[in-house]
Amino acid sequence: GAVVSQHPSWVICKSGTSVKIECRSLDFQATTMFWYRQFPKQSLMLMATSNEGSKATYEQGVEKDKFLINHASLTLSTLTVTSAHPEDSSFYICSARSLAWAGDTEAFFGQGTRLTVV
Amino acid sequence: AQSVTQPDIHITVSEGASLELRCNYSYGATPYLFWYVQSPGQGLQLLLKYFSGDTLVQGIKGFEAEFKRSQSSFNLRKPSVHWSDAAEYFCAVGGRTGGFKTIFGAGTRLFVKA
Repeated sequence: GAVVSQHPSWVICKSGTSVKIECRSLDFQATTMFWYRQFPKQSLMLMATSNEGSKATYEQGVEKDKFLINHASLTLSTLTVTSAHPEDSSFYICSARSLAWAGDTEAFFGQGTRLTVV
Repeated sequence: AQSVTQPDIHITVSEGASLELRCNYSYGATPYLFWYVQSPGQGLQLLLKYFSGDTLVQGIKGFEAEFKRSQSSFNLRKPSVHWSDAAEYFCAVGGRTGGFKTIFGAGTRLFVKA
């Protein structure tokens, strides 16, 4: 299967600072990327969908000014958590898919980034 | 709207016993269905997927799932559970109609007792 890599795997930041998480497709062109958040012992909640070269589409209830998503290239999308607070501490996971793929191909997930805000 | 219901928050089975995890979905068109497994602190691993065709799908680690359109279900089964199967299991739905975004159920935590 295709490979999606996230960086960093874990990050600790101080309250009030911003942190950037990268999601890269290593062996395909990711025309679409999805960002999820997973709180401890909970499910994955879709935050937003980003298409290369376009503004991200955010799910209801997700603050787009707080979670900035940039998908400027076909292999990289970034999620920036601005002015992070302890309640933003979570596991953030991206997935990616190519428009060139047939319909019966799933999106591939990165390994996730554990964010802790202190 | 897409949604997935996993009615069992947690299940405990004895090692060697059979397992069935329930999943019901809501989707306005032909669904793509998935089962993922997640160990504590880890990412997701895809167990199996259904797009079309044979409604009984075989996956990795001896898992299988059956798509039943009439019941909007996609239950996961394994004939004999191993202690290493203890983990969180997520059922998910997606498809072309939803722009291929994948929506997850709440998850079922599997405990395996010796």
